[in-house]
Amino acid sequence: QVQLVQSGAEVKKPGASVKVSCKVSGYTLTELSMHWVRQAPGKGLEWMGGFDPEDGETIYAQKFQGRVTMTEDTSTDTAYMELSSLRSEDTAVYYCATGAGGSPHWYFDLWGRGTLVTVSS
Amino acid sequence: DIVMTQTPLSLSVTPGQPASISCKSSQSLLHSDGKTYLYWYLQKPGQPPQLLIYEVSNRFSGVPDRFSGSGSGTDFTLKISRVEAEDVGVYYCMQSIQLPATFGGGTKVEIK
Repeated sequence: QVQLVQSGAEVKKPGASVKVSCKVSGYTLTELSMHWVRQAPGKGLEWMGGFDPEDGETIYAQKFQGRVTMTEDTSTDTAYMELSSLRSEDTAVYYCATGAGGSPHWYFDLWGRGTLVTVSS
Repeated sequence: DIVMTQTPLSLSVTPGQPASISCKSSQSLLHSDGKTYLYWYLQKPGQPPQLLIYEVSNRFSGVPDRFSGSGSGTDFTLKISRVEAEDVGVYYCMQSIQLPATFGGGTKVEIK
């Protein structure tokens, strides 16, 4: 049974960076297509990007290009999402989720429990 | 980006009664490969979203058969044949015919 365990809540100041982790158990990360979706308080869901195993590249939503970096440590089966130049609008719960259905028409069949990132001065 | 519009914003349902949620996309979700890339999720209070339906009408593993999806092109519907207390939460549709994948604004379902 695949499980995604995310790191704990973070509080950051505007302009700082945050790095959220997502550890996979019950599977190896190389067998998965890991994605990140965020949800601002009381708001809807927003896809940020994910790994395309078919070409080995990470695809980012244009909105986050230049500010987000998604990486993977296959030795520990842990995925990371780093967001820089944080602003108050980045306050959100950040979810990792596994992509199914094949590139680029993914849907997200398993989700982590989320990591709350609060950006406040 | 493709805009996904859900109606209604909220729904109050008596247990055992049916419920229906509409989702409209700003572009057709029918791909040249014959598939339609429309999905439904339920986010229960305090939990991450969970997949209910993939490619319009296929129930995900473990999803009760009271949930059904239908539609084509740009107009889609999620139906719950008999709402149960455990069905409360916010329902989202999502498209992935084109990146970025985008979600509807959500429909909150509560029990009367």
